[in-house]
Amino acid sequence: AAGVIQSPRHLIKEKRETATLKCYPIPRHDTVYWYQQGPGQDPQFLISFYEKMQSDKGSIPDRFSAQQFSDYHSELNMSSLELGDSALYFCASSSRDRGTYNEQFFGPGTRLTVL
Amino acid sequence: AQSVAQPEDQVNVAEGNPLTVKCTYSVSGNPYLFWYVQYPNRGLQFLLKYITGDNLVKGSYGFEAEFNKSQTSFHLKKPSALVSDSALYFCAVRDATSGTYKYIFGTGTRLKVLA
Repeated sequence: AAGVIQSPRHLIKEKRETATLKCYPIPRHDTVYWYQQGPGQDPQFLISFYEKMQSDKGSIPDRFSAQQFSDYHSELNMSSLELGDSALYFCASSSRDRGTYNEQFFGPGTRLTVL
Repeated sequence: AQSVAQPEDQVNVAEGNPLTVKCTYSVSGNPYLFWYVQYPNRGLQFLLKYITGDNLVKGSYGFEAEFNKSQTSFHLKKPSALVSDSALYFCAVRDATSGTYKYIFGTGTRLKVLA
């Protein structure tokens, strides 16, 4: 079965650089979520999109922005990177239209290292 | 505010023995509860969920969980542990009546099954 695809899997950046993370949800899933997992931490919700509109907003820094495109893929744009942004970034998708309680399916994550 | 507590950072159990990983939650409305497992350098894999109905839910790989409304708990259990069950386990909650679809995760419990 198709899963959530994230690219790149690993990314190394310098401080103050920008980064773009991409997420391709499971086909026919209409909702995308972004989470940040710091070393030894639990995943923290950043932002989500339903049908290309922002639906929930969590602890996403103002330096970050995200959007969902017409093909339902999503991109997380991160600017002015800081050392503390080093983390594993997960994307998850779900199908809200099939029911309001369907579980989220997670991608393998993008490991961002800021030097 | 929603919150999830996993009181044990680590649980050690001998192979073949039953295991329990504890989770308690706090939401203002009705909870939707989930368990995920994370292997090293991998994404979060869905194990099981409680939405409504029977308090005992069965999931993947022989895991089950019991929803206890009075104790606001959703402990993960398995009758006979395998070494391959060793991983990081996360409990998550979604407040079904809040209009939000984001998950709040617990801090995770590392399960170590000893041969």
